[in-house]
Amino acid sequence: NAGVTQTPKFRILKIGQSMTLQCTQDMNHNYMYWYRQDPGMGLKLIYYSVGAGITDKGEVPNGYNVSRSTTEDFPLRLELAAPSQTSVYFCASSEILAGFRTDTQYFGPGTRLTVL
Amino acid sequence: DAKTTQPPSMDCAEGRAANLPCNHSTISGNEYVYWYRQIHSQGPQYIIHGLKNNETNEMASLIITEDRKSSTLILPHATLRDTAVYYCIVSANSGGYQKVTFGTGTKLQVIP
Repeated sequence: NAGVTQTPKFRILKIGQSMTLQCTQDMNHNYMYWYRQDPGMGLKLIYYSVGAGITDKGEVPNGYNVSRSTTEDFPLRLELAAPSQTSVYFCASSEILAGFRTDTQYFGPGTRLTVL
Repeated sequence: DAKTTQPPSMDCAEGRAANLPCNHSTISGNEYVYWYRQIHSQGPQYIIHGLKNNETNEMASLIITEDRKSSTLILPHATLRDTAVYYCIVSANSGGYQKVTFGTGTKLQVIP
C-alpha cells in the first residue's frame, strides 16, 4: 500500500491564481481530511469528508473548496490564491473500527505552497 | 479551548528513555488519548493510543493515570531519529466527526 499520496510536493503561485492539490489514499478509508500548517504552528483543519459525496467545513475553510467523488480521492481547490494561504498542506485519512470512526489518522507527505 | 496541555520542549540523551507528559484534565469517559509525532517537515505519524489501560507497541508505551487526567508517552531508548514534535490529542471514537486539535506539541530534541 502506498498509503496517502499528495501532489504536487511544492508549488509557487501568484496572487489570484488557482490550483488543485491532489490527495489519494489506497486504504479504503471513509474519512479524509485536509489540514494546513503554518510555520511553528499546529495543524488546522480546512475540510473533512466522511465518505464519497459528503464533505464539511473545518476550522479554516475560507478560500478553499473540496469535492469527494470517490473513496480514494479528496482534492482541495484554492481559488484566487492569497499570500495568507502560504502554508504546508497535509491530507489525511482515518479508519473505521467496528462501525466507529477512529482518529488513527494516516498523513500524506504534504504540499508546500507559496503564494507571491 | 485546548483539550490537552504539553510542555513546549524537552531534551533527552540518546539511549535514555524519553518521557513526554500530557495533561487532559477535561477528558470525557469515551475519549481516547492519541499520540502522534512529526519529524521535520514530514506529515504527522501515528504512534499509539489508549483509553484507560496502559498500552505498548513497537514504537512506544503509553501510561494513562487512573483518573485519566494525564498521560505519558515513553520512548524506551531514544535515538537521534526520534527528534520530532510530539502531539497528544484526545478524541472519542464515534459515528461522526469530532473536532480534534493538534496544538503545538512538545519538541523533543535527542542529544548525542
